[in-house]
Amino acid sequence: GAVVSQHPSRVICKSGTSVKIECRSLDFQATTMFWYRQFPKQSLMLMATSNEGSKATYEQGVEKDKFLINHASLTLSTLTVTSAHPEDSSFYICSARRPGQTYEQYFGPGTRLTVT
Amino acid sequence: KQEVTQIPAALSVPEGENLVLNCSFTDSAIYNLQWFRQDPGKGLTSLLLIQSSQREQTSGRLNASLDKSSGRSTLYIAASQPGDSATYLCAVRPGSARQLTFGSGTQLTVLP
Repeated sequence: GAVVSQHPSRVICKSGTSVKIECRSLDFQATTMFWYRQFPKQSLMLMATSNEGSKATYEQGVEKDKFLINHASLTLSTLTVTSAHPEDSSFYICSARRPGQTYEQYFGPGTRLTVT
Repeated sequence: KQEVTQIPAALSVPEGENLVLNCSFTDSAIYNLQWFRQDPGKGLTSLLLIQSSQREQTSGRLNASLDKSSGRSTLYIAASQPGDSATYLCAVRPGSARQLTFGSGTQLTVLP
């Protein structure tokens, strides 16, 4: 199956700093990537949809100035958490949609962010 | 607004048993439905995808069915193994073929 990677897998940062998370589709070109957030024992909540070459579409309640998304190429999308606070600590998962009629999505392994 | 519910939230079975996980959704106008597996602290692995025109899909010991009219899908796992222990999530894609809506998952434990 298709492979999506994320880097880093785990990051600890101090309050007020910014953190960048990378998402790459390794064996296919993804015109659309998604960023999700998952709290412990809860399901995935969509944060934003990232389209290559255009601005991301954010879900209601997600601050676009805090969670900066860049989808500069067909294989790379980045999420930058700016001025991180402890409440931003969470598990962030990206997903890439494979071109084709099924719209099947493949998910990265996730990034555990801890803000101290 | 589409809502996806998974029952039970947690399930514990002895090794070797066959089991069924349930997923229900409120809006039957879906494009497709996908079942995923998530291991603790990990991302999601796609197990099966069923298009709205299909009734079931099979992969190895897994069989997923879809009844669009009643808003239900089931994931059947045959001859369960301890390695099947994980959280299983179902997600539906609306008819507009936009983003997935996830259920809250069923945490499965298969006891050796």
